[in-house]
Amino acid sequence: GAVVSQHPSWVICKSGTSVKIECRSLDFQATTMFWYRQFPKQSLMLMATSNEGSKATYEQGVEKDKFLINHASLTLSTLTVTSAHPEDSSFYICSARVPLGGTDTQYFGPGTRLTVL
Amino acid sequence: SQKIEQNSEALNIQEGKTATLTCNYTNYSPAYLQWYRQDPGRGPVFLLLIRENEKEKRKERLKVTFDTTLKQSLFHITASQPADSATYLCALGRGANDMRFGAGTRLTVKP
Repeated sequence: GAVVSQHPSWVICKSGTSVKIECRSLDFQATTMFWYRQFPKQSLMLMATSNEGSKATYEQGVEKDKFLINHASLTLSTLTVTSAHPEDSSFYICSARVPLGGTDTQYFGPGTRLTVL
Repeated sequence: SQKIEQNSEALNIQEGKTATLTCNYTNYSPAYLQWYRQDPGRGPVFLLLIRENEKEKRKERLKVTFDTTLKQSLFHITASQPADSATYLCALGRGANDMRFGAGTRLTVKP
């Protein structure tokens, strides 16, 4: 159980265009999902926390107008990178909060590789 | 400021040996610590969670210890196999909305 999927797994786009990445919890309901980005050989950096039915909470330094997050249902959160630029090229990973024996943990999706030309 | 350090960027060991990875932290009091495995181009996969009041936890060939006095966790893989080669991340947290990741240790098990 607790499977998280992401779509697409990779995407290449031109500079200035917008890209939407979907994150789905397949066999459970996720009231809270998280969006991370990861540069090569670096750790996961939390971008924002997405709560179903409410506005996302962004980490310091993350532009909310550039990285639009929508968590419209208990099984789907989307991240839209607006007006993408080459510096936005990265590996984007979502996760969902999952209860685990009295403690909550996070189960991750497989990630989306974004390349902006 | 809070810091999470994983002992080395890369660790190479021979098949059959025990791999030991270290996660140290400062200026933070986590309620739990987790270890994840990440393969290239993939998202992290949850392995084990250990709480602050637990000293040790095991799962098959994996063993995790958590010393809140030393502010350190050790992650052991016994009888290592080439298939264990991956990057291993430690993550500390006080709740699912508050998890911080180390940079990871890339383990290579040679046949």
